[in-house]
Amino acid sequence: SAVISQKPSRDICQRGTSLTIQCQVDSQVTMMFWYRQQPGQSLTLIATANQGSEATYESGFVIDKFPISRPNLTFSTLTVSNMSPEDSSIYLCSVDDSYNEQFFGPGTRLTVL
Amino acid sequence: RKEVEQDPGPFNVPEGATVAFNCTYSNSASQSFFWYRQDCRKEPKLLMSVYSSGNEDGRFTAQLNRASQYISLLIRDSKLSDSATYLCVVNPSGGYQKVTFGTGTKLQVIP
Repeated sequence: SAVISQKPSRDICQRGTSLTIQCQVDSQVTMMFWYRQQPGQSLTLIATANQGSEATYESGFVIDKFPISRPNLTFSTLTVSNMSPEDSSIYLCSVDDSYNEQFFGPGTRLTVL
Repeated sequence: RKEVEQDPGPFNVPEGATVAFNCTYSNSASQSFFWYRQDCRKEPKLLMSVYSSGNEDGRFTAQLNRASQYISLLIRDSKLSDSATYLCVVNPSGGYQKVTFGTGTKLQVIP
């Protein structure tokens, strides 16, 4: 299974600011996924990041709010822009293997004041 | 109907008990199924994949019922360390496509 790290592990941010979350994988992967898990909820897919192409966003998520970069096969960033308290959540990146089994990073716990 | 549904629980069971969770899915064409475990304030971790023939890993048994469109997870001889939220995950196609997470079933094993 892949080993995934995320930075920062947590942050407390002011309304209206932006935060960029980094995700690093220890092996080359085609797709990386960004999820959000709000308090007491399950995981919701934000977007899929492919290297060399635009990210694919799920319904309800837009690039202006959640820009994603995927500069190479081991790294991706997710930016949460113009934050509001409703963006307080855990943000997780993941990769999958050839069996569609997903492996997650430890998550970034974001609190917006 | 939700794509993936689980009883949120909590299931409070004594140590040593056997407990079972079910998860129903709406897309009859779904191909891949998984159980994940999520500890409090941690990321989800793959517990086991669910194969058509069912599979067993130690105290854990997963089964798939395509006719009724549900998967199950059975935990025997529950340990305190089994306390967690168990997430059901369904992949509609078996190839790449986004997976859908259930909301999870919380298990609390009590001494």
